[in-house]
Amino acid sequence: DTAVSQTPKYLVTQMGNDKSIKCEQNLGHDTMYWYKQDSKKFLKIMFSYNNKELIINETVPNRFSPKSPDKAHLNLHINSLELGDSAVYFCATHWGNEQFFGPGTRLTVL
Amino acid sequence: KQEVTQIPAALSVPEGENLVLNCSFTDSAIYNLQWFRQDPGKGLTSLLLIQSSQREQTSGRLNASLDKSSGRSTLYIAASQPGDSATYLCAVRSFDYKLSFGAGTTVTVRA
Repeated sequence: DTAVSQTPKYLVTQMGNDKSIKCEQNLGHDTMYWYKQDSKKFLKIMFSYNNKELIINETVPNRFSPKSPDKAHLNLHINSLELGDSAVYFCATHWGNEQFFGPGTRLTVL
Repeated sequence: KQEVTQIPAALSVPEGENLVLNCSFTDSAIYNLQWFRQDPGKGLTSLLLIQSSQREQTSGRLNASLDKSSGRSTLYIAASQPGDSATYLCAVRSFDYKLSFGAGTTVTVRA
């Protein structure tokens, strides 16, 4: 009965590869986010979608492209992976005043 | 740009002691402030949310205060237990819906 789920949980890949992380929520919330948590534990917002429309796009390289096929899904595709992309990526939803986070995807780029 | 700072970065206390975790933010024009708990390798769990018009929120052994004018919030955890060991993150929401996080305070409660 997971509210916000992400797949995969772990992702290890070589530099230069293209990979995707998927996020699904069953809460019926309109707004979804992607966050990146770096090695220093700072969580930074990357993107926000509301009803499949992009509303926040922080200064993120063009290699990162979010896609929202429907209100319940927000996927993150990353092209030409670099070492600095290694981090934990969190998907989250927003309802009222609170945010609800997924379990995270730990991406390691070798 | 909102900057959120949490002090201390790490804290180790014996079981039963009260915990005091501090959070400060640079822009007082906030919508609300949320405290999260993060366990190793896990996602974030929301603990308490304080609206900008509120001074404090309580849930069980947890109490969070907010002083918007001075840009500070404090999370108190009474009678700490080993199960309270985790990283506690403070996050401030601005009116453009962006959530700015601190780096967290890693708490270890020794049995």
